[in-house]
Amino acid sequence: AQSVTQLDSQVPVFEEAPVELRCNYSSSVSVYLFWYVQYPNQGLQLLLKYLSGSTLVKSINGFEAEFNKSQTSFHLRKPSVHISDTAEYFCAVSDRGGYQKVTFGTGTKLQVIP
Amino acid sequence: DVKVTQSSRYLVKRTGEKVFLECVQDMDHENMFWYRQDPGLGLRLIYFSYDVKMKEKGDIPEGYSVSREKKERFSLILESASTNQTSMYLCASSFVAGGSGTGELFFGEGSRLTVL
Repeated sequence: AQSVTQLDSQVPVFEEAPVELRCNYSSSVSVYLFWYVQYPNQGLQLLLKYLSGSTLVKSINGFEAEFNKSQTSFHLRKPSVHISDTAEYFCAVSDRGGYQKVTFGTGTKLQVIP
Repeated sequence: DVKVTQSSRYLVKRTGEKVFLECVQDMDHENMFWYRQDPGLGLRLIYFSYDVKMKEKGDIPEGYSVSREKKERFSLILESASTNQTSMYLCASSFVAGGSGTGELFFGEGSRLTVL
């Protein structure tokens, strides 16, 4: 069984300030790691993913996340947020084998304040 | 681009009605999923299917059933809707491709169901 914990349900941050959204997971097997973003009244879309190789992965819009195996974490960071980053962010894990069932965290709402 | 289409964005039904939520994907993905999204609870897996006519229960299957008669289509059925099934329902698909898939999900826009 696997689980994902996002401790912060809401994170308010001023525009152009840095932000970190925390994600910790537990699993008895090797996993793939994902961050998805959901804008209001839309479905989820992939923001970035860790499959293998470099532990630091980046998105095209300035977000990055680092896989830390010893701490079982995959925190999401951005050095300077924009109003358009206001959304809900979900961390997720999937098994590397089998049906690749995906387990999601409870989500973190990022509110960027002008 | 992968497209996952959910038939209805908004539905309002009465308690006891039978409800069908349809989902179609156009990328020949083997896996399809139905999730339920509620504030503070994140996404919870209702059912998934890894092949035509195959289905597996997720974490909260009670009160739901599914049908997958064709590879591209996965339907969620509420046999007798109840008010506690008022929620956002999200369909997703992913590819397996001989074991090289990663579990990356492609989502539809969601169907917001209100049961009165």
